[in-house]
Amino acid sequence: AQSVSQHNHHVILSEAASLELGCNYSYGGTVNLFWYVQYPGQHLQLLLKYFSGDPLVKGIKGFEAEFIKSKFSFNLRKPSVQWSDTAEYFCAVILPYSGGYQKVTFGTGTKLQVIP
Amino acid sequence: DGGITQSPKYLFRKEGQNVTLSCEQNLNHDAMYWYRQDPGQGLRLIYYSQIVNDFQKGDIAEGYSVSREKKESFPLTVTSAQKNPTAFYLCASSSRQGGYEQYFGPGTRLTVT
Repeated sequence: AQSVSQHNHHVILSEAASLELGCNYSYGGTVNLFWYVQYPGQHLQLLLKYFSGDPLVKGIKGFEAEFIKSKFSFNLRKPSVQWSDTAEYFCAVILPYSGGYQKVTFGTGTKLQVIP
Repeated sequence: DGGITQSPKYLFRKEGQNVTLSCEQNLNHDAMYWYRQDPGQGLRLIYYSQIVNDFQKGDIAEGYSVSREKKESFPLTVTSAQKNPTAFYLCASSSRQGGYEQYFGPGTRLTVT
């Protein structure tokens, strides 16, 4: 079965440290890729997305992600984190499904804690 | 403002009772989804609907039921057959034109005792 893996479950960083969160998926065909963020007490919201084109995509709040097709990966990066980046981050992939339906699969999430 | 509303924010029920969670969207999206969020398990898909009067089971549909009688509404019923119903439930919608980017509601926290 198709799956999305986020290997880092809980990450603790000091402010100004660099961040990289891993995301791997197990499907060889065309996919749409997303990173979502859930700040404490807030809605899940989109950070960035990749459909096609330049594999390096930039999102809100200084985040970026690189799609590496050969590695089935879509890792999220930020050069310098802030305390306000403390949140839970979810990778998501849309996989083709029978009957033409588009089913979204989410990873298990990574909790990021940034220490001032 | 366009968006997704879920009500209520908190819901308490006794074991053995069915309960219905509301989800409404005014984004004119064709697709709507229900997820369950548990600590350490991410978002798991319960049901989704691509068009009115049609819906598909997700990964954990047992003990849940849905209906899609109107484009803007996708209520979820947690039945007494759901063995572990206490959770945070999220509704989302998306459009094909938007590449199925998910727009989420604020969620409903259901506690069953």
